[in-house]
Amino acid sequence: QVQLVQSGAEVKKPGSSVKVSCKASGGTFSSYAISWVRQAPGQGLEWMGGIIPIFGTANYAQKFQGRVTITTDESTSTAYMELSSLRSEDTAVYYCARANVTYYDILTGYYGWYFDLWGRGTLVTVSS
Amino acid sequence: QSALTQPASVSGSPGQSITISCTGTSSDVGGYNYVSWYQQHPGKAPKLMIYEVSNRPSGVSNRFSGSKSGNTASLTISGLQAEDEADYYCSSYTSSSTHYVFGTGTKVTVL
Repeated sequence: QVQLVQSGAEVKKPGSSVKVSCKASGGTFSSYAISWVRQAPGQGLEWMGGIIPIFGTANYAQKFQGRVTITTDESTSTAYMELSSLRSEDTAVYYCARANVTYYDILTGYYGWYFDLWGRGTLVTVSS
Repeated sequence: QSALTQPASVSGSPGQSITISCTGTSSDVGGYNYVSWYQQHPGKAPKLMIYEVSNRPSGVSNRFSGSKSGNTASLTISGLQAEDEADYYCSSYTSSSTHYVFGTGTKVTVL
């Protein structure tokens, strides 16, 4: 049974970067996509971006373009999400999720997907 | 990033049926059959309940069903149980610049 195991909680200073990992335990995710979703305290879910490991191409939400980088290391079945220029509003739980791709927009290069397996989340706190 | 609109809260008694709406536009819910629904208990990760408007993953109770009409998708929970008390989020692909969007979330309370 595949599980997504995320790295531990982080405390970061404003202006710094954080890199969160997500390892597929008990299997691989080479045939799936991986997306990252965050949830600020008491708030709803917010999609940040996703990647299809076999293609190596990532989609990013416009809000995070230029600040987020999603990568994978297929040799270790691990995905990474790096967020830079952190500010207090980035304090949130960051989830990785295995994504089933259901749609590809050939004009924009973006994917439609749903998330059938989630990690337990990584709390990132941004505070001076 | 414009979220899909859901009611803040819905409640019902055990055994009753409730329906949660998710309203978008022709650029997302109305234009594509790629709506999914997630259940989230406090302090837990979300769980997929419905995908592609009305498909139920293996292991999800058949008390949960999804549908869509125009720009509004719906999640119906029949035979409401105490364990159904949670937050529920819809989501959809969107042709707008945001590309993928979640709903505002609905808190379901079992009275």
